[in-house]
Amino acid sequence: AMTQFPVTLSVSPGERVTLSCRAGQSIDSNLAWYFQKPGQGPRLLIYAASTRATGIPGRFSGSGSGTEFTLTISNLQSEDFGVYYCQQYNKWPPFTFGQGTRLEIK
Amino acid sequence: EVQLVESGGGLVQPGGSLRLSCTASGFTFSRYAMAWVRQAPGKGLEWVSSISGSSGDTFYADSVEGRFAISRDDSKTTLYLQMNSLRAEDTAIYYCVKDLSDNGWYFNFGDSWGQGTLVTVSS
Repeated sequence: AMTQFPVTLSVSPGERVTLSCRAGQSIDSNLAWYFQKPGQGPRLLIYAASTRATGIPGRFSGSGSGTEFTLTISNLQSEDFGVYYCQQYNKWPPFTFGQGTRLEIK
Repeated sequence: EVQLVESGGGLVQPGGSLRLSCTASGFTFSRYAMAWVRQAPGKGLEWVSSISGSSGDTFYADSVEGRFAISRDDSKTTLYLQMNSLRAEDTAIYYCVKDLSDNGWYFNFGDSWGQGTLVTVSS
């Protein structure tokens, strides 16, 4: 199981924020992060725990391995507010997602 | 530019069937593993099924095993999901998802997602 925390985070534009994702057992670095805005499909941000996907700005960074992972977003922009999901692909099926962290504007 | 366009969703009664389609463009479809991921209203993401690009191996979530069937037609660059014996808990937006790697092996994570098609199971 993948657990994300916090469930909701209220921050102001320009701030730096860290989101967390915990795996129930070691998944090495086989973790992806996605971002979803209302009414849209998710967008891949990070894979292999720390590799940015094509077109993702440098203010997004991922870290961690084993069971503990973080996604850090620096200098938050208005377009960064939405829901963030982590997903493990180490042991499957099934591929499992965290329940999501909602990032809100303070 | 990669495009994934889902279709086939709609309202169906419990016990009924639907076939979803996903028409792909902008990449060599046959070289990529593909998947379906769903999202119940107001809920998170749930992997449903995936299919490899090379061997055609298929995989299913326990919740749909034996009821759903994933397939692909590389000549039509289209992914399908045949859904039978539908239940209320299958109500969700269904997303078509492309894997990042072009090795055609197994799906790991999605680098491109469609806009989704809504399936509603209700009497």
